[in-house]
Amino acid sequence: GAVVSQHPSWVICKSGTSVKIECRSLDFQATTMFWYRQFPKQSLMLMATSNEGSKATYEQGVEKDKFLINHASLTLSTLTVTSAHPEDSSFYICSASSAGVYEQYFGPGTRLTVT
Amino acid sequence: AQSVTQLGSHVSVSEGALVLLRCNYSSSVPPYLFWYVQYPNQGLQLLLKYTSAATLVKGINGFEAEFKKSETSFHLTKPSAHMSDAAEYFCAVSTSYGKLTFGQGTILTVHP
Repeated sequence: GAVVSQHPSWVICKSGTSVKIECRSLDFQATTMFWYRQFPKQSLMLMATSNEGSKATYEQGVEKDKFLINHASLTLSTLTVTSAHPEDSSFYICSASSAGVYEQYFGPGTRLTVT
Repeated sequence: AQSVTQLGSHVSVSEGALVLLRCNYSSSVPPYLFWYVQYPNQGLQLLLKYTSAATLVKGINGFEAEFKKSETSFHLTKPSAHMSDAAEYFCAVSTSYGKLTFGQGTILTVHP
């Protein structure tokens, strides 16, 4: 149980375009979803926290207009990287948790390369 | 505020040797503590977690960790390393608010 999927697993886009990454909880209701970014040889950095039906809460230094997060249902959250630039190239990982549950379940990650 | 420090960004052991990965945490409230493993280009897999029950926690793949409040530590051990244990390991701390703070990660190399 507690499976989280991400789509796509990898994506290449051109500079200036937008790309959407989906995060789904397959067998539980995810009241909260988290988005992380991981640069090569670095740890995971939390970008934002989203609760179903509410606006996402972004960490300091993360541009909310650039990284659009939508959590419209209890099983789906999306991260849209707008006007992507090469410096946005990274590994993006989502996680999900249920109400009252402290544990987060992680997706397999999405490798974004901006050319 | 909460933070995690993993001592040693790289640890190298021989196959069959003891694995010890160090983690110290800082938290203003009683913490939940986690160890995750990450293989290249993959997400995180939970190895074990401490949730204020038993201080010695057993996880998957023969790993265990001991919560020591007096030392604010949660070190990960495995008695005998296997080649398949080679990966990156992350210690993380969470409060009841659910946000996870990760350590810098420790890359474990296992030599035959």
